[in-house]
Formats: sequence, structure tokens, C-alpha cells
Amino acid sequence: DAKTTQPTSMDCAEGRAANLPCNHSTISGNEYVYWYRQIHSQGPQYIIHGLKNNETNEMASLIITEDRKSSTLILPHATLRDTAVYYCIVRVGSQGNLIFGKGTKLSVKP
Amino acid sequence: DTAVSQTPKYLVTQMGNDKSIKCEQNLGHDTMYWYKQDSKKFLKIMFSYNNKELIINETVPNRFSPKSPDKAHLNLHINSLELGDSAVYFCASSQEGGLLYGYTFGSGTRLTVV
Repeated sequence: DAKTTQPTSMDCAEGRAANLPCNHSTISGNEYVYWYRQIHSQGPQYIIHGLKNNETNEMASLIITEDRKSSTLILPHATLRDTAVYYCIVRVGSQGNLIFGKGTKLSVKP
Repeated sequence: DTAVSQTPKYLVTQMGNDKSIKCEQNLGHDTMYWYKQDSKKFLKIMFSYNNKELIINETVPNRFSPKSPDKAHLNLHINSLELGDSAVYFCASSQEGGLLYGYTFGSGTRLTVV
């Protein structure tokens, strides 16, 4: 069963920041938060992951609350090409396989 | 160069046939996977395989079997195809469980059983 809760869908205006929330209230101390996205008809793509500190890379930023019960993926300047389904996944480091939930369908609009 | 490549991209076949989907990765990863995405867009793990261990999702029918001739390849064989096998199948690979750089996925094979 998925350990995360995400909104089914969100809209964002092109050029604005997209903030995608994820609730993982039952997360364990050794579980990481991973984000992937799937652009229509393509394979899923790794975005970012974190344990307890905020993380940033060339694609996005990940903000994890101090109690680690929720996180937010931030796409700082969304473009039309960021329209995709975004998946928030928790797992214990490299153990176990990647299990996908339903994700959030982000629509970036002009 | 494509990191994880799958062939064919599309496959249309009749019920009862046996078919294979090929997957190759040129990333030097130690583990490969097969995922199935059904019409409702749910992505489900089918297999994971490294040179030590094959892990099979218990819900996968035994008509499905992975074959790995070497570390860079994990092919998916499907016997006696059924209508419900129609889906998009994704191959993926990772190094050390994908801890640092995640999984790398192929572009998918759309299988249609008629």
C-alpha cells in the first residue's frame, strides 16, 4: 500500500513556481522521500530525494518539514514541459523496490 | 546513446501467442526491473533482478518470465497472452538500489493483445 497522500491534480501558470505537496505522516526514521515524474507516454523520471534536510538540484527543490510528516516539491519556474504526473514515494534507502502511488497530475497552463 | 532502451516500442498480437520484449541498459547498473502500467495508469513492479537474486511480485502470473543473458539485458517473455496483458511495460535499471540517482526508466513498450 502507498504510504503517501497527494492531491489528485493541480494547475500552475507557466513561469510561476509549482508547489506539489505530499503527506507521509507514517514515515519511519530511516525512510527517504523520493520524487519522480511521468510525462505523457514516457517512462518515469527521477527528480530528487531527501531524508530530513532540504535538497535542491537542477530540476527542483525538496522541502521536508521538521517532523518529516510532509514534504513539498518545488519547480521554481514551471514550463509547459513540466506538465506530468508527479509521484512522491517513501522507501528505506536502497532497500525494497520503488512502489508508485497515484501521484499528482500537474497541468502547467500558458 | 539511450540509457535504457526497449524493443519493440509497440507490439500488437493475438491471444494465445508467446512474445518477448527486450531491454538493454548501457549505464553499468547492477539491477534491472520490469514495471507494468495498466489502462488506469497504475505503475506496478513485476520483477527486479541483479546477478544474485530475482524478486518476483507475487501477483505476477507465471506466464511472465524474465531472462537475463548478462548484466546489461533483462528480457521479458510472456506465454499464452491474454487480453488483460494489454498494457505499457517499462524496463528500468539502478545502481545500488537507486539510492543516490534513482531508477532510470526506458520509454516503454505498448502491448496490445487482440
